[in-house]
Amino acid sequence: NAGVTQTPKFRVLKTGQSMTLLCAQDMNHEYMYWYRQDPGMGLRLIHYSVGEGTTAKGEVPDGYNVSRLKKQNFLLGLESAAPSQTSVYFCASSYSNGLTEAFFGQGTRLTVV
Amino acid sequence: KNQVEQSPQSLIILEGKNCTLQCNYTVSPFSNLRWYKQDTGRGPVSLTIMTFSENTKSNGRYTATLDADTKQSSLHITASQLSDSASYICVVILNRYTGTASKLTFGTGTRLQVTL
Repeated sequence: NAGVTQTPKFRVLKTGQSMTLLCAQDMNHEYMYWYRQDPGMGLRLIHYSVGEGTTAKGEVPDGYNVSRLKKQNFLLGLESAAPSQTSVYFCASSYSNGLTEAFFGQGTRLTVV
Repeated sequence: KNQVEQSPQSLIILEGKNCTLQCNYTVSPFSNLRWYKQDTGRGPVSLTIMTFSENTKSNGRYTATLDADTKQSSLHITASQLSDSASYICVVILNRYTGTASKLTFGTGTRLQVTL
């Protein structure tokens, strides 16, 4: 049982490039989330999904897009990367809303130069 | 000002010693409070989950306490081990309806280092 898997683990982008981060969960969870973690700050919610085909904005959605075409996958896209998007990105999933336990992936370290 | 404040920012203790980490929050109303352990280069892993009506919750050598009146929580680690070296994050969850993402407010964490 893999839990929550993120790919890639590391990536370096040039400013203006695009990329997609993939999150996959095998726990049949309805809710999935993308967070970013920056030094000196708590994790901040970028976007989330409450089920297949749905997405919603979190606290810091600007510059990111997401898609949830399949229940088990949640994709985070950066259309035109900026240095301010240098961060560690975490995907999480939960059976229901935040009242149930959330399981996190191992993170993707993204550097935009 | 962060709605979830943790102290200390970092802590170094000798193996076998006990320690207590603090979390003060202003998030209200909340449904539950969690403590997560985050190893370097890994995602957070849940240690304890407490509802607002619970005062204490244990998970092995980890014991979390909650005082909803003073809006304080603590995580006590007993007989520390080298593997306890990690960041410990306090998370407060706002009460929300199903169908929306409950608002999780994360503290910045306490970095604990256990040494020989």
